[in-house]
This record gives sequence, C-alpha cells and structure tokens, in this order.
Amino acid sequence: EPEVTQTPSHQVTQMGQEVILRCVPISNHLYFYWYRQILGQKVEFLVSFYNNEISEKSEIFDDQFSVERPDGSNFTLKIRSTKLEDSAMYFCASNLLGLPEKLFFGSGTQLSVL
Amino acid sequence: GDSVTQMEGPVTLSEEAFLTINCTYTATGYPSLFWYVQYPGEGLQLLLKATKADDKGSNKGFEATYRKETTSFHLEKGSVQVSDSAVYFCALVTQGGSEKLVFGKGTKLTVNP
Repeated sequence: EPEVTQTPSHQVTQMGQEVILRCVPISNHLYFYWYRQILGQKVEFLVSFYNNEISEKSEIFDDQFSVERPDGSNFTLKIRSTKLEDSAMYFCASNLLGLPEKLFFGSGTQLSVL
Repeated sequence: GDSVTQMEGPVTLSEEAFLTINCTYTATGYPSLFWYVQYPGEGLQLLLKATKADDKGSNKGFEATYRKETTSFHLEKGSVQVSDSAVYFCALVTQGGSEKLVFGKGTKLTVNP
C-alpha cells in the first residue's frame, strides 16, 4: 500500500538554527499538508499546499516557516530560525482530491530544539 | 473557533474489555467528524467518520455516533484486543471549504493480554 514517508524520524537542532523536514507524499497526490503536535497538546494544522502554492495556513505558520515542493516528489517544511517552542512532532499528509477523509499521514518527525 | 475535546488518557484495559473514549466538539455550522488512529511507529490513519447528525461510523469493530444534541462523537468497541493498542484522535472539519482538520489531543490506549 502506498504511504507517506517522512525523514528523519527524529531531529535535534540548536535554537536559532534552520531546519528542513522532509516528506515524500504518495506519488499521484495533489494536496499536501503539514500538522504538528506539541507534547501534551492537540494536533494543529499548519499549512496546506496545492498547485505549487499555499492554499491555507494557520496563525502558527508565520514568516519563520516555509514550504516547498522542489522536485515534484518531495514536500519540505523549513523553519528558518528555530525556537524552543518549535519542539514538536511534525506530521506530513497528502491526498488526491483535497477531501479531508481521504488524507494519508506520515509517521512524523520529532523535532527537538535545544 | 472550532475545537475538539477528548478524554484524557492514558487508558489501560484488559483484553475483551469494553472501550469508550469520549469526544465532544464545538463548531459553527455542521462539521464532519472523524476518529483517527496512530499505531506505534506509523502515521495517523482514518478509523471511521460521520458526516451528518445521527450517522454512525464503524470500522474494525469500533463505532461512533454523531450526536448533534450533545455535540459528541464518542468512540466505542465492545471487546478490545491487544492489537488495538494505539493513540486515538477525534477530529472535525467544518463545511464551507476549509481543508484543515481540527484535532483533539489524542488518547493513548493500552490493552493488556
């Protein structure tokens, strides 16, 4: 069965450093998403991406965040200057038609900012 | 804004016990409601859904009924198995074009043999 792949599974970085989280969505999917879950809190929507542009973003997704689909297969989330409060599990997701009930999630990248 | 509240975990049960995980929501309009499950080392997977009031979603022995009057979508299973050990997330999406899912915190379930 096709799956969404995220790498790395764990990433440790120093505060102020740039970090790139990588995702390989399912190959024929057109809609891409990032969610995150800070430990003990709710899973939160960050951004959705379609047709090479952001279609929706949350208040969390400020100027420190960016997304890119650089080569038609990867979908990346960049945090320019990480803060302690960016420590969280980041989930990538994709689907074909933009229907929430058809969303496929990756297993997540645990980001720890020290 | 829209929100989902689900019961705090962790929940520990013996095999064949009855499971209920409570979920209530606040939303404008008429949301669609979902339960997702995350098994260890895997991504979130859709477990079941309901799109309108009084609908019952079911899958793998799990059930949840969309109760508009109590704004609830409680997850139930009559007899849990060790393989049901996972984290369960309640979620909603509001109608009107938004693509984003609004999740609860998740409830970790451990089933012991």
